[in-house]
Amino acid sequence: GIQVEQSPPDLILQEGANSTLRCNFSDSVNNLQWFHQNPWGQLINLFYIPSGTKQNGRLSATTVATERYSLLYISSSQTTDSGVYFCAPDNQAGTALIFGKGTTLSVSS
Amino acid sequence: NAGVTQTPKFRILKIGQSMTLQCTQDMNHNYMYWYRQDPGMGLKLIYYSVGAGITDKGEVPNGYNVSRSTTEDFPLRLELAAPSQTSVYFCASSTRTGSPFFGQGTRLTVV
Repeated sequence: GIQVEQSPPDLILQEGANSTLRCNFSDSVNNLQWFHQNPWGQLINLFYIPSGTKQNGRLSATTVATERYSLLYISSSQTTDSGVYFCAPDNQAGTALIFGKGTTLSVSS
Repeated sequence: NAGVTQTPKFRILKIGQSMTLQCTQDMNHNYMYWYRQDPGMGLKLIYYSVGAGITDKGEVPNGYNVSRSTTEDFPLRLELAAPSQTSVYFCASSTRTGSPFFGQGTRLTVV
């Protein structure tokens, strides 16, 4: 099945800093999503981004499907951005998402 | 609008016991999923369903069973609990092309 690699595994930032999270995937995909898991375990969808670039406030994401990677940008980070960020492309059948191991972000004030 | 509701939130099982994790959604989604998340890891797909009466195996189905008799409910059954099944279990639902909505999770410990 499809392999998903996220980097870096851990990231520590001061409030206000910018960061870029990367997701590489091993095969072509029809769908890719980014999720944020807050410190209480709740998973929230951030972006549905099979290709191109999308922005939502301080967050933006870019997927280059032909080169099999996606990037999540966080600008002017806040303590509430802390948590784990997951990249999840769909499986070969397009029926479910395959999750990477995530990037754990800690933002301190 | 409750979204995806999982019960219980926490459970401790003894080795060999069985239990059912309940999941219900009120969004009329056809697609439902069960994932498990081990510490420091991403979510791994256990089973999924594309509609009532249809279920299929994911990456890690061994030791689990599911059923989907209604659109709303997708229970996950553990027959003979083992320590390797200690994990946090997430249920999710979606439309065919939409993003999944996740429940709050069930933290299961097998001792």
